[in-house]
Amino acid sequence: NAGVTQTPKFQVLKTGQSMTLQCAQDMNHEYMSWYRQDPGMGLRLIHYSVGAGITDQGEVPNGYNVSRSTTEDFPLRLLSAAPSQTSVYFCASSYWGTGGDTQYFGPGTRLTVL
Amino acid sequence: AQTVTQSQPEMSVQEAETVTLSCTYDTSESDYYLFWYKQPPSRQMILVIRQEAYKQQNATENRFSVNFQKAAKSFSLKISDSQLGDAAMYFCAYRTRRSYNTDKLIFGTGTRLQVFP
Repeated sequence: NAGVTQTPKFQVLKTGQSMTLQCAQDMNHEYMSWYRQDPGMGLRLIHYSVGAGITDQGEVPNGYNVSRSTTEDFPLRLLSAAPSQTSVYFCASSYWGTGGDTQYFGPGTRLTVL
Repeated sequence: AQTVTQSQPEMSVQEAETVTLSCTYDTSESDYYLFWYKQPPSRQMILVIRQEAYKQQNATENRFSVNFQKAAKSFSLKISDSQLGDAAMYFCAYRTRRSYNTDKLIFGTGTRLQVFP
């Protein structure tokens, strides 16, 4: 049981490049979310999903796309990277049911956009 | 919209002493959850403690306990017998009681805790 995994751990992009941050969980959790962490601002919700095929926007969705084709995977796509997207990105998952209010986080991806 | 405020950017404590981290929140809801997460230098987000708003009893997990004041919208974390391994960034977070079609966790800006030997 690996929990929530994220790849890559580190990534450097040039402005305008695209890439996908991968997130997978093996706990059969219905809910998955993406957050970004910037200095002095805590974690902010980018997008979330309440199940396969269902996604919704969070607080800071601009510049990011998501899709959820399976319960296990929830990739985050940067279509045209900008320096403002330099951040640490966390994926999290949780389940529907008693105790499911707690989110379990992946190890994070540090992204630098030059 | 709900907000979470951590007014102490940094705190320090001597090993074996007790320290309290503050958190206040703003909401019009009556049913919700509150959390404290720890983020050590490894960057991993680790759940420290959770509190259900409809429970009056303060949550406790070993050396960690909370003082939950619902009317005052305050949720402070007390760390007793502080250890060097407690040094980390601590985040307070708020979550609406779950509904099947939404899933949002709102974080404060964090408090960096230093522990001195």
